[in-house]
Amino acid sequence: DMQMTQSPSSLSASVGDRVTITCRASQTISINLNWYQQKPGKAPNLLIYAATRLHSGVPSRFSGSGSGTDFTLTISSLQPEDFATYFCQESYTFPSITFGQGTRLDIK
Amino acid sequence: QVQLQESGPGLVKPSQTLSLTCTVSGGSFTTGDYDWTWIRQPAGKALEYIGRLYTSGNSKYNPSLESRATISIDTSKNQFSLKLSSVTAADTAVYFCARNKWVRPEGYYYMDVWGKGTTVTVSS
Repeated sequence: DMQMTQSPSSLSASVGDRVTITCRASQTISINLNWYQQKPGKAPNLLIYAATRLHSGVPSRFSGSGSGTDFTLTISSLQPEDFATYFCQESYTFPSITFGQGTRLDIK
Repeated sequence: QVQLQESGPGLVKPSQTLSLTCTVSGGSFTTGDYDWTWIRQPAGKALEYIGRLYTSGNSKYNPSLESRATISIDTSKNQFSLKLSSVTAADTAVYFCARNKWVRPEGYYYMDVWGKGTTVTVSS
């Protein structure tokens, strides 16, 4: 079974900080990796698809990198509205879908 | 702008069947390169894939839920539905419907439109 492991599971940072979240797949998934942001009580919102492609309307401070099994989401300069939980999701093992366990980003 | 809205009972008794509907508005349900998905999230936990539906009516499921889950389509109402039988407290969660958008010919997809989610509690 595919496993998606995010690190760290939680993170404290300040406005203006550069933050990186990692997602590791248990088997190679090429670039079939998406990132979502979720705020409390809300549905997830797509940030990045195909590992590096910024979804329409998402601020350019968000970026993604990686291929194969190791991926990163970077926020170049944290804004107050970025404090949320972030999930990675693989889209390789069709028809199944596997999510990472989430990374909670809090204000320091 | 396509929107999704989940609806259904918020409380289900153990051993009964959970039934939810997702209504698709603001766009075509059957055209375009999409499929339609149910996802759930227990409080404070990760997202879990339940199953997906193609507009042909075919569906695929998470193997861990396949014996209990059924996803069906009603194109006349622009709706798709989830039934989950023999529920237990472990099925208590927020249930989301979402649209998977495919990018061809590369062959990847992503969930670009989500419903707001509906909370289902399994309790007697």
